[in-house]
Amino acid sequence: EAGVAQSPRYKIIEKRQSVAFWCNPISGHATLYWYQQILGQGPKLLIQFQNNGVVDDSQLPKDRFSAERLKGVDSTLKIQPAKLEDSAVYLCASSGTGLAGVQDTGELFFGEGSRLTVL
Amino acid sequence: AQSVSQHNHHVILSEAASLELGCNYSYGGTVNLFWYVQYPGQHLQLLLKYFSGDPLVKGIKGFEAEFIKSKFSFNLRKPSVQWSDTAEYFCAVGDSSYKLIFGSGTRLLVRP
Repeated sequence: EAGVAQSPRYKIIEKRQSVAFWCNPISGHATLYWYQQILGQGPKLLIQFQNNGVVDDSQLPKDRFSAERLKGVDSTLKIQPAKLEDSAVYLCASSGTGLAGVQDTGELFFGEGSRLTVL
Repeated sequence: AQSVSQHNHHVILSEAASLELGCNYSYGGTVNLFWYVQYPGQHLQLLLKYFSGDPLVKGIKGFEAEFIKSKFSFNLRKPSVQWSDTAEYFCAVGDSSYKLIFGSGTRLLVRP
């Protein structure tokens, strides 16, 4: 079974530039998450989607960050304009089968992450 | 608000030593508890989880964790570590929506 795919793996930009990250979850997974992991810290949830709807975006800095999952499958996270403190690994995760009547195990499956460096 | 504390940021052990990593959480409702592991150069993966039932849960690679509700703890243990257990370990707490709050992680180095 293919895992969660993310791209690009690495990105270096200057502050005030924009960047976009892409994520393709495991096939059939209804729930998709974007996490930010700053060096030395645990992952912090930015946004959670259920199919193509937002469940929780309370920790997303909406003045510069945006995310979408238009068709309920893959997702894009954008940062514009980037700040130095946005340097981090951006992790995408997915969970759930998306099938009615099938219990979600609660396990999140993570991609390898996209490492952003803002200079 | 939910929070997770991992008190040991770095742990160094010799092979065959016993391991216990502490995890305490703060949450007012029913929680689901997880330990995730990230081996060098790899993605985060589930080690074990607790939803309900037996508070002693067993995971992959000989790891286990005990949920002690009165102490709000979910400590990870392994009786005898191997060099291949070198990794970063994250404790996480989740609610019914499976939104996870992670601790800051513990870096484990096992010396051969």
